[in-house]
Amino acid sequence: ILNVEQSPQSLHVQEGDSTNFTCSFPSSNFYALHWYRWETAKSPEALFVMTLNGDEKKKGRISATLNTKEGYSYLYIKGSQPEDSATYLCANHNTDKLIFGTGTRLQVFP
Amino acid sequence: DAGVTQSPTHLIKTRGQQVTLRCSPISGHKSVSWYQQVLGQGPQFIFQYYEKEERGRGNFPDRFSARQFPNYSSELNVNALLLGDSALYLCASSFLAGGPQETQYFGPGTRLLVL
Repeated sequence: ILNVEQSPQSLHVQEGDSTNFTCSFPSSNFYALHWYRWETAKSPEALFVMTLNGDEKKKGRISATLNTKEGYSYLYIKGSQPEDSATYLCANHNTDKLIFGTGTRLQVFP
Repeated sequence: DAGVTQSPTHLIKTRGQQVTLRCSPISGHKSVSWYQQVLGQGPQFIFQYYEKEERGRGNFPDRFSARQFPNYSSELNVNALLLGDSALYLCASSFLAGGPQETQYFGPGTRLLVL
C-alpha cells in the first residue's frame, strides 16, 4: 500500500446498529495515524492519534485499533446514532504532514 | 476558547486572478498547516509553517505561497488562478511543529470557486 485507503467509501446504517470501517496505510516508516470526524459545514474534529502497534483508543461509543505491522486501523461505532452521521477521515503522519484517505461517509437513519 | 478561524468562508474568483486566504490558529499554537480538499478526495498538504518559517511544502506549483506572521496567523496566496484551484482550503494549527503524535486542529475552511 503506497497511499492511505479507506473502505467502504460510504455506509448507511440504522440507528442502534454497530458499524466499523477500515483505514489502510503503508506499514514501513510508520509514525502515527490520526482519525478525524467531519460533519458537513463544520471543522474536522480530531478523534484519536494512534502510534503503537496494538493500540486501542476509545471515546464514548467510538473506538479504534491499530496494526502497524500489517498497516491498518479499524474504527468502530457502537450503537450508531443519527448524530454520528459524518465523514470519518484517517491520516497517516509522514514526516511533516498528514496524508489523508478519502474518508468513509456514514449516514445513520433514525 | 476560540478554535482555528479562517476567512473568508466563501470566495468566487475568475481565472487568472489572485486570492489571499487567512487563518488564525488557536491561541498559543505556533504551527499552521494548509491543506486543499477537492471534491471526492481527502485533504492534500500544501504548506506547514512553524515559528514563521516554512517547515514543509507539498506537491503544489509555485503559484501557491504562504507566510506566517509574528502573531502566528497565516496567509495562503494563490496567483494566476486556474479552474482546478476550486476547492476547500483548510487550515490546521498545532502547539509545536506538528510532530507525529501532535493533534492538528482544523478550521472550517474557505470554499474557493474559480470561474
